[in-house]
Amino acid sequence: AQRVTQPEKLLSVFKGAPVELKCNYSYSGSPELFWYVQYSRQRLQLLLRHISRESIKGFTADLNKGETSFHLKKPFAQEEDSAMYYCALPPLRDDKIIFGKGTRLHILP
Amino acid sequence: NAGVTQTPKFQVLKTGQSMTLQCAQDMNHNSMYWYRQDPGMGLRLIYYSASEGTTDKGEVPNGYNVSRLNKREFSLRLESAAPSQTSVYFCASSEDWASGYNEQFFGPGTRLTVL
Repeated sequence: AQRVTQPEKLLSVFKGAPVELKCNYSYSGSPELFWYVQYSRQRLQLLLRHISRESIKGFTADLNKGETSFHLKKPFAQEEDSAMYYCALPPLRDDKIIFGKGTRLHILP
Repeated sequence: NAGVTQTPKFQVLKTGQSMTLQCAQDMNHNSMYWYRQDPGMGLRLIYYSASEGTTDKGEVPNGYNVSRLNKREFSLRLESAAPSQTSVYFCASSEDWASGYNEQFFGPGTRLTVL
C-alpha cells in the first residue's frame, strides 16, 4: 500500500540554520513526490515536485529510492519559512493521493 | 482567474443542523476533491470526483455527501452536523485524476465549528 510518513509534527530551527523536513514513502514502482506548503491563514500550494528538480524559495528535495525518502532541505532558514509542510504522493491509476500528516516548521529569531 | 473558490469562509452550526459547502473552479479541471484538516491528523480526503458525473469515497466519508453539479462545481453536504465535524475544509482541483503527475490547486478553506 502507498504510504507517506512525516515523522516530525513540529520542527523548530533558528534563523540562518539548515532545515531538513523528513518524508519517507512506501510505493510499488517509481514514485512522483510533491511538497506542499501552507503559510499562516493561506491556502495550500505546491512548493516543489520531484520530477522538476527545481529549487523554490531556496528549498530542494532529492528522491532517494534506496532509503525511500524525499526530504525537504534548505541551507539557511528564514523567518518567512515558518509554515506547515506536507509531503504528498500522487495517485497511481485508481489509488487516492496520499498526504503525510504534515510538519509545522517554526523558525526562531 | 479566481482559481478555486469556496463559500462560506466561516460557519458555526449547532449539532444536528445541516449545511452545504460550495466549491467552484475556473481552470477547466476534471478532478475535484474535498479534504478536512485537523491538528495532528494532517489532510484527510473526504470525497473526490474524478470527472463530471462521478464521485467516490475517500478516507473519511461518514457523515458527508457530495454532488458534482457540473464540471466547475463540487459541493459537500453535512446532513446532521456533529461536534466531531468541527474542522477546516478544503476543496481542491486538478487537471486529471489518472495521470498521477498533476498539481492540486486548493481553495482558501472553510472553518466550520459545530457546537
